[in-house]
Amino acid sequence: GAVVSQHPSRVICKSGTSVKIECRSLDFQATTMFWYRQFPKKSLMLMATSNEGSKATYEQGVEKDKFLINHASLTLSTLTVTSAHPEDSSFYICSARDPSVADTQYFGPGTRLTVL
Amino acid sequence: QQQVKQSPQSLIVQKGGISIINCAYENTAFDYFPWYQQFPGKGPALLIAIRPDVSEKKEGRFTISFNKSAKQFSLHIMDSQPGDSATYFCAASSMEYGNKLVFGAGTILRVKS
Repeated sequence: GAVVSQHPSRVICKSGTSVKIECRSLDFQATTMFWYRQFPKKSLMLMATSNEGSKATYEQGVEKDKFLINHASLTLSTLTVTSAHPEDSSFYICSARDPSVADTQYFGPGTRLTVL
Repeated sequence: QQQVKQSPQSLIVQKGGISIINCAYENTAFDYFPWYQQFPGKGPALLIAIRPDVSEKKEGRFTISFNKSAKQFSLHIMDSQPGDSATYFCAASSMEYGNKLVFGAGTILRVKS
């Protein structure tokens, strides 16, 4: 299957700092990428849909000024957690939709964010 | 309407046995139903997926059974192995809703050797 990478795999930061997470589709071009958040032993919660060349669409209850998404190219989307606080600590996962394999989303390995 | 209900929450199966996980949905607009496998600390990996025009799809030891009239679908893992121990998520999506995946709550599978 297609490969999606995320960087970094884990990050620890101080409260008040901003953290950027990158999501890349390595062997296909993704016009659409998705960002999820997952709490321990819970399901994936969709945060936003990232479309190349346009503004991201955020799910209800997700602060767009807090979680900045940029989809600058067909292979890269970034999520920036601004002014991070301990409650932002979570497992963040991206997925990319491969248009050549209709509707199929491939997930990245996830990024563990810990805010002290 | 957007929910996908998954059961059981956890499952213990003997090695070599059949693991069965069930999901149900309400929204008839859903037209794509994938199953994902997730190991601790990793991202979900696509296992197998089905569309409503077929009632069953098999890939290796994994089979999806789909009942359109009942709005239910299930994952069967044949000859379950300890390496299959993971969390399994069903999901559903529709082009009508931008192909966003709606996930079930997950099933923690443990295969005893």
